[in-house]
Amino acid sequence: GAGVSQTPSNKVTEKGKYVELRCDPISGHTALYWYRQSLGQGPEFLIYFQGTGAADDSGLPNDRFFAVRPEGSVSTLKIQRTERGDSAVYLCASSSNGLMNEQYFGPGTRLTVT
Amino acid sequence: GNSVTQMEGPVTLSEEAFLTINCTYTATGYPSLFWYVQYPGEGLQLLLKATKADDKGSNKGFEATYRKETTSFHLEKGSVQVSDSAVYFCALSDPTGTASKLTFGTGTRLQVTL
Repeated sequence: GAGVSQTPSNKVTEKGKYVELRCDPISGHTALYWYRQSLGQGPEFLIYFQGTGAADDSGLPNDRFFAVRPEGSVSTLKIQRTERGDSAVYLCASSSNGLMNEQYFGPGTRLTVT
Repeated sequence: GNSVTQMEGPVTLSEEAFLTINCTYTATGYPSLFWYVQYPGEGLQLLLKATKADDKGSNKGFEATYRKETTSFHLEKGSVQVSDSAVYFCALSDPTGTASKLTFGTGTRLQVTL
C-alpha cells in the first residue's frame, strides 16, 4: 500500500517568506509526527498529532512554526518569516495509534532558505 | 533530558567484515530502543527494536541487545554486504509521555566496499 508522502520534495524560498509543507500519512494512521533533520544530525522532534489535535508541540522551536491536521489525516507544517537557520529536511512520520507502534517515515521535504 | 550518543562515522569496511556501531543512551525510566536505517535516496526505515532490558532485536542479519546496566544498544552484523551501505540511526522513545516521540543519535554512515 501507499506509504507516507510529503510535498514538495524540495522547496527553495527567500528569507522572510512563508512556506507550507504537506504530509499525507498512511491511511488509517491516527498518530502523525513532524521531525526536522539538519545536515549531519539526526532527526529532532517537532510536534505530534493524535487525530486532529496537537498532543505534544514541545519541539517547535518558536512561534514562527505552526502545524495543523484539521481532518485527522493530512497535516501541514507552516513556517512564517523564514530564516536561513530553518534550512533542513523536514520529515513526517505516522503510526497506527502512537502508543509504541512503529513510526513510518516519509521521504522528507528539503527546505532551503536563501 | 533524553539523549542518544552513537559513534561517529564514516565506518568503512570490506565486504564480509564484522560490524559494530556503538550506541549509548540517557533517559529517565525505561525507554524502548530502535535502530533506523536510511539508504541512499530513501526515507528512514525501522531496522530493529527492543522494548525492555535484555531483549534482542534482530532483522536482516543485524542484531542489537538492550543493556540496561550499560545503557547501551550496540548494532552488530557478522558479515556486511555492499548493499548495507547506508546511514544508521540509534533512537529511543520517551518513556515518560504518551507520544512515543523519538530521540535520535546523529547517525553513523557505513560504507562497505568489495
